[in-house]
Amino acid sequence: GQNIDQPTEMTATEGAIVQINCTYQTSGFNGLFWYQQHAGEAPTFLSYNVLDGLEEKGRFSSFLSRSKGYSYLLLKELQMKDSASYLCAVRDRPPGYALNFGKGTSLLVTP
Amino acid sequence: DGGITQSPKYLFRKEGQNVTLSCEQNLNHDAMYWYRQDPGQGLRLIYYSQIVNDFQKGDIAEGYSVSREKKESFPLTVTSAQKNPTAFYLCASSPNLGTGVGEQYFGPGTRLTVT
Repeated sequence: GQNIDQPTEMTATEGAIVQINCTYQTSGFNGLFWYQQHAGEAPTFLSYNVLDGLEEKGRFSSFLSRSKGYSYLLLKELQMKDSASYLCAVRDRPPGYALNFGKGTSLLVTP
Repeated sequence: DGGITQSPKYLFRKEGQNVTLSCEQNLNHDAMYWYRQDPGQGLRLIYYSQIVNDFQKGDIAEGYSVSREKKESFPLTVTSAQKNPTAFYLCASSPNLGTGVGEQYFGPGTRLTVT
């Protein structure tokens, strides 16, 4: 089975740093993805981790620990436009390579 | 421009009618997927296709059907057998499986309302 947990909501202040956690228990693992989704829009790809460690991409970083079934997305220098839902997704092993999504974390950035 | 298109953005149907949602991509991606998203829920996989003329059921395939006659196109039919069809439907595609990151690219979605 698949079980991916994220906090439902988070609030942070403009200019601050926020960490969104994701824990997973899945029958297969072939990478973990983070997507950003603004209300009513399609998800857009943010980051990908398949090996343990930190991947940095500008203001966004993502960390993975496969032994702990744990990942986090770190957003630095928060901007108002970062208010969105952040989706954690685990990719199955072959043959499907399907993505299993968590319910998403709704982040509100306040002035 | 390369991308994924879904049309229409909003769709209204009466209960008991079948409806087909379109999804077209010009990214030359092999794999295509259909998800539905309900308020407060994550994306749930309906069907996926790895190559032309082949597709597999996802977690919630009941009441849906698909076809993959062309690489570019993966239409989804919501049949009258689907008990709760009102939802936001997202189509996605990804490059050849097993190579590189292979992240999924999403279309803009179709919001289906059935009354």
